[in-house]
Amino acid sequence: EDQVTQSPEALRLQEGESSSLNCSYTVSGLRGLFWYRQDPGKGPEFLFTLYSAGEEKEKERLKATLTKKESFLHITAPKPEDSATYLCAVQGGSEKLVFGKGTKLTVNP
Amino acid sequence: KAGVTQTPRYLIKTRGQQVTLSCSPISGHRSVSWYQQTPGQGLQFLFEYFSETQRNKGNFPGRFSGRQFSNSRSEMNVSTLELGDSALYLCASSLEQRNTIYFGEGSWLTVV
Repeated sequence: EDQVTQSPEALRLQEGESSSLNCSYTVSGLRGLFWYRQDPGKGPEFLFTLYSAGEEKEKERLKATLTKKESFLHITAPKPEDSATYLCAVQGGSEKLVFGKGTKLTVNP
Repeated sequence: KAGVTQTPRYLIKTRGQQVTLSCSPISGHRSVSWYQQTPGQGLQFLFEYFSETQRNKGNFPGRFSGRQFSNSRSEMNVSTLELGDSALYLCASSLEQRNTIYFGEGSWLTVV
């Protein structure tokens, strides 16, 4: 069964303090790994899709990387508006999307 | 380009009742999937429809059902509501089955 574990569950940073969120996964036949951002009371917002180990994608202060067992979401010099819950999901051979429980990020000014 | 639209946004139902939620996908998207989100379980896959056919189903009881229409719009129905069905129900759409999915804002269901 496909599984996704995200750590830490919650992370508090000071503005400008860079850090990384982890997404460990087990999947049969990875078709894609997805990162989403979710603000309170809203639906998840798509950030990145990664397809193979070694792939990296960047968007503003965010950079996602992928290995055969985990993905990292690096946040460089975060701002308070980056505060949100970040969700990781994998799609394997079953084609079902399996989500982790998320990392709640708080960036203090 | 309009995003995924879900209606209603908020609703309160009584135990034993049934509820129907509606989803309009992004224009041109043919795949629609539904998810249940709760604080304890996170986001859990309910089912996926593509060209009016259910292509995948999660581990939910038969009280949860859905359908997709020829214009790709989708509905999900929950019958005999239980208190534990209180959750945010999210609809997502994609161009094809294996593409990135885009979520709507969700329908908040409270069962009392």
